Amino acid sequence: DTGVSQDPRHKITKRGQNVTFRCDPISEHNRLYWYRQTLGQGPEFLTYFQNEAQLEKSRLLSDRFSAERPKGSFSTLEIQRTEQGDSAMYLCASSLGPNDWSQYFGPGTRLTVT
Amino acid sequence: AQSVTQPDIHITVSEGASLELRCNYSYGATPYLFWYVQSPGQGLQLLLKYFSGDTLVQGIKGFEAEFKRSQSSFNLRKPSVHWSDAAEYFCAVGRSQAGTALIFGKGTTLSVSS
Repeated sequence: DTGVSQDPRHKITKRGQNVTFRCDPISEHNRLYWYRQTLGQGPEFLTYFQNEAQLEKSRLLSDRFSAERPKGSFSTLEIQRTEQGDSAMYLCASSLGPNDWSQYFGPGTRLTVT
Repeated sequence: AQSVTQPDIHITVSEGASLELRCNYSYGATPYLFWYVQSPGQGLQLLLKYFSGDTLVQGIKGFEAEFKRSQSSFNLRKPSVHWSDAAEYFCAVGRSQAGTALIFGKGTTLSVSS
């Protein structure tokens, strides 16, 4: 069990650029979640997948954000035309399923938009 | 709507002293409850969870929490704090449809003095 991994760990980009983050969940975990965490706050839910199906999206996920999980394994989160307000830690989590709905988090990707 | 309140933003405890971190939630049905710990620059680590059954749950690192339905609380406790426990602690609640989004509190920062 290698845990949830995320890449990159840090990303600095200029306003208006597009960025893409990757998340690899724990093997055999069929649910995958994305959260965003800003300084001094708890994580806020963005979206989640059951295998390759995106089942729920938060109102925080504006049209500039898109997430995919094409084969039900890894997931990508893309932000288009980044804004300074997008600067945050983006966290990925996964859960096994009906036997255990606990969510296990990765180390996060810290995005800084200059 | 669901919400989680962690009334204490920052707590300082002497090493070896006992600890209690407060968490109150707002949710109509029986919630799923979690405590996570986050060290600087790290992702969230699951300490313990409550789904059903015994209202006193044991977790990792010597932590425990008690679910009190009448008080809508899920307080985290540890009998003797170690310097390595200094971190940020988050309480979270999940909806009754298990495996969906978690709602997090704003966190409590724990400092440990020698």
